[in-house]
Amino acid sequence: KAGVTQTPRYLIKTRGQQVTLSCSPISGHRSVSWYQQTPGQGLQFLFEYFSETQRNKGNFPGRFSGRQFSNSRSEMNVSTLELGDSALYLCASRFRDRSTDTQYFGPGTRLTVL
Amino acid sequence: AQSVSQHNHHVILSEAASLELGCNYSYGGTVNLFWYVQYPGQHLQLLLKYFSGDPLVKGIKGFEAEFIKSKFSFNLRKPSVQWSDTAEYFCAVSPISGGYNKLIFGAGTRLAVHP
Repeated sequence: KAGVTQTPRYLIKTRGQQVTLSCSPISGHRSVSWYQQTPGQGLQFLFEYFSETQRNKGNFPGRFSGRQFSNSRSEMNVSTLELGDSALYLCASRFRDRSTDTQYFGPGTRLTVL
Repeated sequence: AQSVSQHNHHVILSEAASLELGCNYSYGGTVNLFWYVQYPGQHLQLLLKYFSGDPLVKGIKGFEAEFIKSKFSFNLRKPSVQWSDTAEYFCAVSPISGGYNKLIFGAGTRLAVHP
């Protein structure tokens, strides 16, 4: 099976702009989560989507939003970018059954805000 | 608040030395426990996980971890490290609650193994 794919891999934006990141989960996985990774704050949970519905949300401002499509692909949007939004954004594809519940991560999108 | 604490931020070892990375979490309920590894230039990969049963779990590349419920700990061990184990290691917990799922990560431990 192909792994989690994220596009683009690198992005450079300026303050005030908005950005959309894309994630395709592993085939058959219906849940997608997003995380932000920074040197100062580490890995922080943004939100989780399942069957096109947001099920869980972390402590991030409303500028961070997301959505999931019927094919389980997910997008994350950040509006009015700030310098502090520079980070590696990771998408995770979740597999759950009776014996396991595991998230598999993509390579991430490196966002730089100038 | 739920949190995960990793005791060492940086660890430097020589090849063949033994490794133990500490991880403690704060959460009163049931959790699933994970160790992830991030090799230089690569994405986050699952090393091992604990859901239930035997508290000593074995993962890939000779790693193992022991869940001690009374201590809220899930320490990672490897008897003999190799240069290729140089990476950043993250402990994570996932509170089991209503089917929702999020991982709470520790700050990570950077391991450097010298030949």
